Amino acid sequence: DAGVIQSPRHEVTEMGQEVTLRCKPISGHNSLFWYRQTMMRGLELLIYFNNNVPIDDSGMPEDRFSAKMPNASFSTLKIQPSEPRDSAVYFCASSLNRGGTEAFFGQGTRLTVV
Amino acid sequence: AQSVTQLDSQVPVFEEAPVELRCNYSSSVSVYLFWYVQYPNQGLQLLLKYLSGSTLVKGINGFEAEFNKSQTSFHLRKPSVHISDTAEYFCAVTHGGSQGNLIFGKGTKLSVKP
Repeated sequence: DAGVIQSPRHEVTEMGQEVTLRCKPISGHNSLFWYRQTMMRGLELLIYFNNNVPIDDSGMPEDRFSAKMPNASFSTLKIQPSEPRDSAVYFCASSLNRGGTEAFFGQGTRLTVV
Repeated sequence: AQSVTQLDSQVPVFEEAPVELRCNYSSSVSVYLFWYVQYPNQGLQLLLKYLSGSTLVKGINGFEAEFNKSQTSFHLRKPSVHISDTAEYFCAVTHGGSQGNLIFGKGTKLSVKP
């Protein structure tokens, strides 16, 4: 398996534009997580899905952020409109839906909003 | 609620010296504990995990960690570090009934000097 695949690896956009980050989890995994990493706040869980259903989105910073998982092999994280403070590295991770199983991370998307 | 505290944000050490990266957690229920490593511009990789059984857990790259329930700690150790161990290390926790949601500490940057 190629692991968790995220695209794009880098995104530079202007303030106010819509940004869509994409993730393909490991085949067979049924939990998917979106994390955001910044110097100030470290690694924060934004949202996670089990069996394509959002379970906990309490980490989503505000209504400008939305995430979808239309099927078991694809998820998106959208920011509309984007702001400079959204600049961060966004990671997608997947795991089996079983306590104690580790999450496997993608390479991340580095987002810069200017 | 669960939380993870990594007591040192940065740890400089000379090559071939031993190192300990500290991690304390808080949780009202049984936990599973993890250490991840992040090399520059990459995602997180699992180093080791504690689920149950022996409190001393061995991981990849010569790392090991000891679970101490009374002190609610899960410190990571390596007897002799190499330049290539320079990276950021994250401790994470999920509770026994969890569906895989990991809570991360803020990370410790290990810098190995020649």
